[in-house]
Parts: sequence; structure tokens; C-alpha cells
Amino acid sequence: ETGVTQTPRHLVMGMTNKKSLKCEQHLGHNAMYWYKQSAKKPLELMFVYSLEERVENNSVPSRFSPECPNSSHLFLHLHTLQPEDSALYLCASSQVGTGVYNGYTFGSGTRLTVV
Amino acid sequence: GNSVTQMEGPVTLSEEAFLTINCTYTATGYPSLFWYVQYPGEGLQLLLKATKADDKGSNKGFEATYRKETTSFHLEKGSVQVSDSAVYFCALSRIKAAGNKLTFGGGTRVLVKP
Repeated sequence: ETGVTQTPRHLVMGMTNKKSLKCEQHLGHNAMYWYKQSAKKPLELMFVYSLEERVENNSVPSRFSPECPNSSHLFLHLHTLQPEDSALYLCASSQVGTGVYNGYTFGSGTRLTVV
Repeated sequence: GNSVTQMEGPVTLSEEAFLTINCTYTATGYPSLFWYVQYPGEGLQLLLKATKADDKGSNKGFEATYRKETTSFHLEKGSVQVSDSAVYFCALSRIKAAGNKLTFGGGTRVLVKP
């Protein structure tokens, strides 16, 4: 248990479905991140929230919609996905602005399959 | 901009062999350097880190030394086990940078055979 919990662990959805991925961190961190990990591709940073404000959006299609209601929770809302969106979606958190930096803490990921 | 280059895998070894995974970086200023490990079906876990030149990070028998003169942070382990089979990611971050964004290398898959 890393202190970052992602649910569900596995998700299969049709292209017309709407679903959400959830991430919760119990570490008191103030920044959260969504990454996409596809087979044989580098890790792709999707969104960054720092102090509950979105500070980075790396040209992610609008069918992915993030939400960060507070510093402990992060959601990724999915709709009208394509088969190429099938991947492992990783959430991470970190503490920023304190001068002591210990990198990110990752969750175990949600394995998404779009059929 | 910042970038991290690590050797492509897969790296296949026998148990008790010596492991080295090369990592070099390009960055302005004085980044912190990290190695993360990803076991099958899991997320990334921090393996070790170093925050300044000549620092040596170590954990679980793995070591890496921050070499500013060669901009490198190579990962080593003297005697690998089957349980070390995983994907290893080198990463850097600027200290105190806004958002503290990590820049990852492409990952190196390591397979240890009995």
C-alpha cells in the first residue's frame, strides 16, 4: 500500500459508455497527476493539479475530463473513448513548494480496456 | 528542456549476475534524480533518489551515484534475483520547480532467469 489508492483496478467499457476513474491519496500531498502508460510507449503525462488547480493539460483529447474536488481526490471522467485509449492509467501525488522533494508516489493503476 | 535517456531493453540476466542500467540526463540547474521500479501489474515505486552531485542513493541492494560531470545516474546491483524482474525508470526533477514535474526515461525491462 503506497498511500495512493486507485479504483477500479480493471475496467472494460464500450465506446459509448461513460465511466470515471478515481484516485485518493492519504499522504497529505498537495499535487496530483494523471499518467497514461501504453504498451511500448513512454509514460505520458496527461494532467497536473497543484493546490487543486489544474496547472498542466498536455493536449489530451476532450473525451478525457479531469476533476480535482480537493487535495486528496482526483477523478478522470471518460466518455466516447476509442480502442487506442486502452492503457494503464496511473495516478500519482507529491508535495510541492516545501523545498524537500521526494518525487511522486504512484497508485497501482487502472487497467482500461475499450471494446 | 529536460530529458532523460536510458538504455533500451530488454535486459536478460541469470540469477546472481551483475546488473547495470545506464541513465544520462539533460537539464538546466541542479535536478534531483530518481530510479523507479514497476513490477508486473503494478504502478511505479520509488527505488532510490539523489538530490545533489556525488550523492549515492541505495535501496534493496541497488545503488546509483549522481555524476554531474558525466550527467549520469547509472543503476547497479551486484547480484540480481528473479524477483528483480521489472521495468526500471530513470527520472529527474528540478528542485523547487513549480509543480515539481518529473521527467521520465523510456524505461528498461529487466528479466532475471533462474
